[in-house]
Amino acid sequence: GQQVMQIPQYQHVQEGEDFTTYCNSSTTLSNIQWYKQRPGGHPVFLIQLVKSGEVKKQKRLTFQFGEAKKNSSLHITATQTTDVGTYFCAGGGTYKYIFGTGTRLKVLA
Amino acid sequence: DAGVIQSPRHEVTEMGQEVTLRCKPISGHNSLFWYRQTMMRGLELLIYFNNNVPIDDSGMPEDRFSAKMPNASFSTLKIQPSEPRDSAVYFCASSFGRRVGSNEQFFGPGTRLTVL
Repeated sequence: GQQVMQIPQYQHVQEGEDFTTYCNSSTTLSNIQWYKQRPGGHPVFLIQLVKSGEVKKQKRLTFQFGEAKKNSSLHITATQTTDVGTYFCAGGGTYKYIFGTGTRLKVLA
Repeated sequence: DAGVIQSPRHEVTEMGQEVTLRCKPISGHNSLFWYRQTMMRGLELLIYFNNNVPIDDSGMPEDRFSAKMPNASFSTLKIQPSEPRDSAVYFCASSFGRRVGSNEQFFGPGTRLTVL
């Protein structure tokens, strides 16, 4: 069945450093979403990418959708302690989303 | 807007007992999803409904799990009998749109289930 993997599984960074998480699907996706889950919280929607090669920015966050629509990345510039949490990608198919394995980010002040 | 509402927030039960988790989706949303999250398996989709109809239950672990959506504003996930390996956080999410796989999902706060 369809699988969505994320790397790395964990990442510890010093505050101010950049961070990137990568998402890879075993199948071509119709779209991809990104969610953030704070410790003890629930996933919260960040963004959706639909077009091949699409790049979107939200302040310090940059999201990319691969040309083949099988991979995506989230890059955070100059991390802050408020960025702590687990970042999930969710690959959109015809009828549902498959969530990736997540990348847990810790930011050291 | 109250968002997606789940109850109870925490449930501790003994093995063999029946557990019922409840969800009220955001008013007007036409899709509802039940997820299970554990450290080992991550976030798993158990079942989802579109316009109150179960569309895909392939993620339901086994016959001990069942889900219903009797109307657009209420859904339940039942585990009978419960087992310790069912311990997890169960999330309900809802979305609105014509195509299920293309809309933002709004998650509830989750129910943390512990089966002793």
